[in-house]
Amino acid sequence: DAGITQSPRHKVTETGTPVTLRCHQTENHRYMYWYRQDPGHGLRLIHYSYGVKDTDKGEVSDGYSVSRSKTEDFLLTLESATSSQTSVYFCAISESSGQIHDEQYFGPGTRLTVT
Amino acid sequence: RKEVEQDPGPFNVPEGATVAFNCTYSNSASQSFFWYRQDCRKEPKLLMSVYSSGNEDGRFTAQLNRASQYISLLIRDSKLSDSATYLCVVNMEYGNKLVFGAGTILRVKS
Repeated sequence: DAGITQSPRHKVTETGTPVTLRCHQTENHRYMYWYRQDPGHGLRLIHYSYGVKDTDKGEVSDGYSVSRSKTEDFLLTLESATSSQTSVYFCAISESSGQIHDEQYFGPGTRLTVT
Repeated sequence: RKEVEQDPGPFNVPEGATVAFNCTYSNSASQSFFWYRQDCRKEPKLLMSVYSSGNEDGRFTAQLNRASQYISLLIRDSKLSDSATYLCVVNMEYGNKLVFGAGTILRVKS
């Protein structure tokens, strides 16, 4: 299995509080991604990173920010959590971009509940 | 229209059955295609990439039809352990942004 960990694995927080999720990889892969997964939807891309300090928005980026200060860590921050951000969050990594058949590998997920 | 569409199922099949899933995609310029498997409350795991010529891995066969913009996954001799959600995944024309279908649920019963 790819060396990807996420922390915390579960979190319950209150509306309006800031929350930071961490993704850590030991594969030295260039690309890292944050997705959310909700019933009835496929995984949806929130933000991704193509290198240290290089990030870009995905499909559902509103209300989220990211940072990547080291190759191995990619942080997802909810500045002011809302109930609509209750979801399961997955981090993924891939070796490079623009390559055909460039697979992504996923971390174990973080289950976030905003009350 | 969704970019990647799958029949959500569930497909309920007996052990030993052959089952096939289809998936359609909207972007004709899509370059690469995958099937992922996701167990309940777990992360998606890559099952197989889908190549233009079709490819097989043991009991699993994946095929791509670019003209009709669909990919398929065939599972032969189903096992109880095949019970999972199967995600159809398509790479966009450029970059490495994957678009995921909502998944097809497979339940294999004894």
